[in-house]
Amino acid sequence: DAGITQSPRHKVTETGTPVTLRCHQTENHRYMYWYRQDPGHGLRLIHYSYGVKDTDKGEVSDGYSVSRSKTEDFLLTLESATSSQTSVYFCAISETGGTNTEAFFGQGTRLTVV
Amino acid sequence: DQQVKQNSPSLSVQEGRISILNCDYTNSMFDYFLWYKKYPAEGPTFLISISSIKDKNEDGRFTVFLNKSAKHLSLHIVPSQPGDSAVYFCAASAPYNTDKLIFGTGTRLQVFP
Repeated sequence: DAGITQSPRHKVTETGTPVTLRCHQTENHRYMYWYRQDPGHGLRLIHYSYGVKDTDKGEVSDGYSVSRSKTEDFLLTLESATSSQTSVYFCAISETGGTNTEAFFGQGTRLTVV
Repeated sequence: DQQVKQNSPSLSVQEGRISILNCDYTNSMFDYFLWYKKYPAEGPTFLISISSIKDKNEDGRFTVFLNKSAKHLSLHIVPSQPGDSAVYFCAASAPYNTDKLIFGTGTRLQVFP
């Protein structure tokens, strides 16, 4: 299994509070991604990183920010959590990006915003 | 706008029979396609992929077929086993945007004895 650790695995937070999810990898892969999974929507890309300090937006980036100060860590921050951000969040890594390569996923973080 | 669509949210198949999961896409620039399997409370795991230069790729019990003219791909599982019960996602990427995989909404496969 690819060395990807997400923390925390479960979190309940109140509306309006900031939340940070962490993804840690031991594979030294260049690309890291944050997805959210919701019923009827599948997996949707929030943000991704193609190197240290190099990040870009995905299709559902509003309300989220990311940071990558080290190759192994990719942080996802909800600046002010809303109920619509209740979801399961997955981190993924890949060696060379989308084409001709697969992404490896972490086990997910279940976030509930009350 | 959903660029990758899995129109069947669920599928039920008897053990030993063939499972066929379908995926349609709208972006003709997609040139690489993947299937992922996801068990409850786990992250998706890569299953099989296919490049647009091929129309078939086989790996054991799993075969992916690509019909570029119809913008359609399918995953065949033969024979189906109870351990195959999971949610299956198809995903695609385009050469102009190789950093991103676009996922479908998933199909829940249940294989019953």
